[in-house]
Amino acid sequence: KQEVTQIPAALSVPEGENLVLNCSFTDSAIYNLQWFRQDPGKGLTSLLLIQSSQREQTSGRLNASLDKSSGRSTLYIAASQPGDSATYLCAVPTYTGANSKLTFGKGITLSVRP
Amino acid sequence: NAGVTQTPKFQVLKTGQSMTLQCAQDMNHNSMYWYRQDPGMGLRLIYYSASEGTTDKGEVPNGYNVSRLNKREFSLRLESAAPSQTSVYFCASSEPGKNTGELFFGEGSRLTVL
Repeated sequence: KQEVTQIPAALSVPEGENLVLNCSFTDSAIYNLQWFRQDPGKGLTSLLLIQSSQREQTSGRLNASLDKSSGRSTLYIAASQPGDSATYLCAVPTYTGANSKLTFGKGITLSVRP
Repeated sequence: NAGVTQTPKFQVLKTGQSMTLQCAQDMNHNSMYWYRQDPGMGLRLIYYSASEGTTDKGEVPNGYNVSRLNKREFSLRLESAAPSQTSVYFCASSEPGKNTGELFFGEGSRLTVL
């Protein structure tokens, strides 16, 4: 059974700091990995999707990396801003035939202090 | 640009009452999902539908039923609500595949069962 872990559960940093959020998974036979952002009281917004054939994916100040062999992904946020404060979740798919469903980590709640 | 739309956004029920959460997507996705999110438990899959006409149980299906009405719509029904079903419910959709699979979420439906 796939398990996804995100540690620590919460993180507080000063504005302007570069930071790395970690995600680990137990079954390395994945086809992709997805990072989401969730603001309080809101739904999840997809940030980045990395295919298994990719090592990195970038969007603006965000960079996600994937190392299947070690069961790890990182989300790098450059020059953090208070508006980056949110919960960040990673998820990996489990495939059963033609079906797929995601297993989520519990998320890292990020607070960026002005 | 509606994406995934859920109704209602808020609902309060008494124990034993029934209700249906509605979900619709306009991205022509084959797969749709219902998750619940609880503090400390993360996101857990209730039911999913890989394609029109099919539904399958997820991690926590007890007390729920689903209907994939057509390709666009996937509803979640609570036949006899219990306080343990107090949660935030999210509908999601994706076009599954080994090279795609990006998941899109609705804004959530906040249910309180008294």
